[in-house]
Amino acid sequence: DAKTTQPPSMDCAEGRAANLPCNHSTISGNEYVYWYRQIHSQGPQYIIHGLKNNETNEMASLIITEDRKSSTLILPHATLRDTAVYYCIVDNNAGNMLTFGGGTRLMVKP
Amino acid sequence: DAGVTQSPTHLIKTRGQHVTLRCSPISGHKSVSWYQQVLGQGPQFIFQYYEKEERGRGNFPDRFSARQFPNYSSELNVNALLLGDSALYLCASSLDVAALKGNEQFFGPGTRLTVL
Repeated sequence: DAKTTQPPSMDCAEGRAANLPCNHSTISGNEYVYWYRQIHSQGPQYIIHGLKNNETNEMASLIITEDRKSSTLILPHATLRDTAVYYCIVDNNAGNMLTFGGGTRLMVKP
Repeated sequence: DAGVTQSPTHLIKTRGQHVTLRCSPISGHKSVSWYQQVLGQGPQFIFQYYEKEERGRGNFPDRFSARQFPNYSSELNVNALLLGDSALYLCASSLDVAALKGNEQFFGPGTRLTVL
């Protein structure tokens, strides 16, 4: 059962912000929202996670709505190397038994 | 710092054979999880081990088994291989399994298994 819904693909111009949406309307109170990405032929790479509050790190920002039913991953200045499949995951097992859906294929174009 | 390492990188087997895949976690990480990624799909959770004990199991048949050693490295075993077992097998490590506490997993490059 998919717990998250993401658009299958998105394009973004190099240097612009990439905003990747995710719906998780059935999220429960103790579930975190995780974002991972997978560049072709590599293992997934952790980006960021959060519970209620917005989070920011050196890679991205995570905006979670007040009702926690959706979130947005923001890459502030996308580069060609950000081209990847981005996965939004909700998990309450300390992030160790992740259920990956189909993800969003982000294409950053020059 | 060495990341998560997996061996072998590629493997070709025939139907009915068995296979053992190996994973070494990042130094200091005690939790290891295994995932299967079929071409074109997201990774699917198989097992999680912590302190040599199985802490979680995904929806995979009993042909799949795993174990974790005292040095926290891990093996994934698959018996009676089927064509559908062809996939990228990913290992991920993390610091702990603290309940209700989010933590990040670090993935290895994977082992590409082809079953003919």
